[in-house]
Amino acid sequence: GAGVSQSPSNKVTEKGKDVELRCDPISGHTALYWYRQSLGQGLEFLIYFQGNSAPDKSGLPSDRFSAERTGGSVSTLTIQRTQQEDSAVYLCASSSVAGSSGANVLTFGAGSRLTVL
Amino acid sequence: LAKTTQPISMDSYEGQEVNITCSHNNIATNDYITWYQQFPSQGPRFIIQGYKTKVTNEVASLFIPADRKSSTLSLPRVSLSDTAVYYCLVGEKNNDMRFGAGTRLTVKP
Repeated sequence: GAGVSQSPSNKVTEKGKDVELRCDPISGHTALYWYRQSLGQGLEFLIYFQGNSAPDKSGLPSDRFSAERTGGSVSTLTIQRTQQEDSAVYLCASSSVAGSSGANVLTFGAGSRLTVL
Repeated sequence: LAKTTQPISMDSYEGQEVNITCSHNNIATNDYITWYQQFPSQGPRFIIQGYKTKVTNEVASLFIPADRKSSTLSLPRVSLSDTAVYYCLVGEKNNDMRFGAGTRLTVKP
């Protein structure tokens, strides 16, 4: 597609339930990032996928969080046994591989707003 | 990963030039400097990227001194619509990108 697509745009769930958030990156982009943004705060890095390499999971806050990227395209972020502190906007970004110069330039989706009651 | 430091907030008035400085004292040789802009309820969007000296595009200029330990984003003649949070990132190509707290710019009439 023309941009990064995220779904659902809004999700309200009860504490203890599992949720799945989906990211459809720009076609051909091999790098994919997940971030979390709490109200009024900056972006917290969660996980980074680059091609077929092992993902950088160093930002995942607990083992309740996991992400996968199937076929090098669509990614799913799963939060198990949700807690109220998980309430935030979850942002996905994708990037093509930087060429001979420059760092990756990220294109973000509109985000998925998660509210845990 | 190089850590960045920016002012938490800045105020300006319409028509003024705004300069936002980011400190990155431990920037590595292969690192590039990238700035993003974020409006409320939207994801950040790319503004400009540079390695050294000066880079200019239709939106902004980026000034990077020879030691590269800081960078300055310059927004010419800001308008109310430039009110946003501005993030400075430092990183090398094909690597993860970690955002700092950003600078909240408020442009007043």
